[in-house]
Amino acid sequence: DQQVKQNSPSLSVQEGRISILNCDYTNSMFDYFLWYKKYPAEGPTFLISISSIKDKNEDGRFTVFLNKSAKHLSLHIVPSQPGDSAVYFCAASATSGTYKYIFGTGTRLKVLA
Amino acid sequence: DTGVSQNPRHKITKRGQNVTFRCDPISEHNRLYWYRQTLGQGPEFLTYFQNEAQLEKSRLLSDRFSAERPKGSFSTLEIQRTEQGDSAMYLCASNYGTGGQFFGPGTRLTVL
Repeated sequence: DQQVKQNSPSLSVQEGRISILNCDYTNSMFDYFLWYKKYPAEGPTFLISISSIKDKNEDGRFTVFLNKSAKHLSLHIVPSQPGDSAVYFCAASATSGTYKYIFGTGTRLKVLA
Repeated sequence: DTGVSQNPRHKITKRGQNVTFRCDPISEHNRLYWYRQTLGQGPEFLTYFQNEAQLEKSRLLSDRFSAERPKGSFSTLEIQRTEQGDSAMYLCASNYGTGGQFFGPGTRLTVL
């Protein structure tokens, strides 16, 4: 029962261009969403989050968009840099009942110099 | 270093042995989480604590797994009678409130 899905296992983007990573969820109780970045041999690092009361949240080069009706969120990285090459995970939580986070399977981003 | 630490970083054991991992969260964080991650998958939720109380445990977690967080500080995760299917990266994370979690570097378990 994969409640959080990242259907693209990998993505390659040229340096300076936009990277768009997608995530879909099935549980309508989810109301808080997060993106993490993971380098090899390290734990995931929190990047940005969004509450379901918003449809957009920005932090520097990172913007997360939430489309509740489609149960879809995306992470935009502009401009992409070689150091952004990593595995990106989206995660979701239903904060009213629990603080458990459900993660997607990840998308490996490669930014080409 | 005030981040989340985990020990050991690597553990190799024989099938049937018991293993215990330790996690030291960021000191002011009241929630502590354990996850398991296998190749090509995202972190899979195992259990979490709020202070010393274990509030939720995954249905996927067998009775061979137990976790504690005495006094609401560090936590231990014990796996009894290990099986080859337990081989994975075990991640610990902590946070305060509903914000993003801070992860440790993980403990990689190999069961021979």
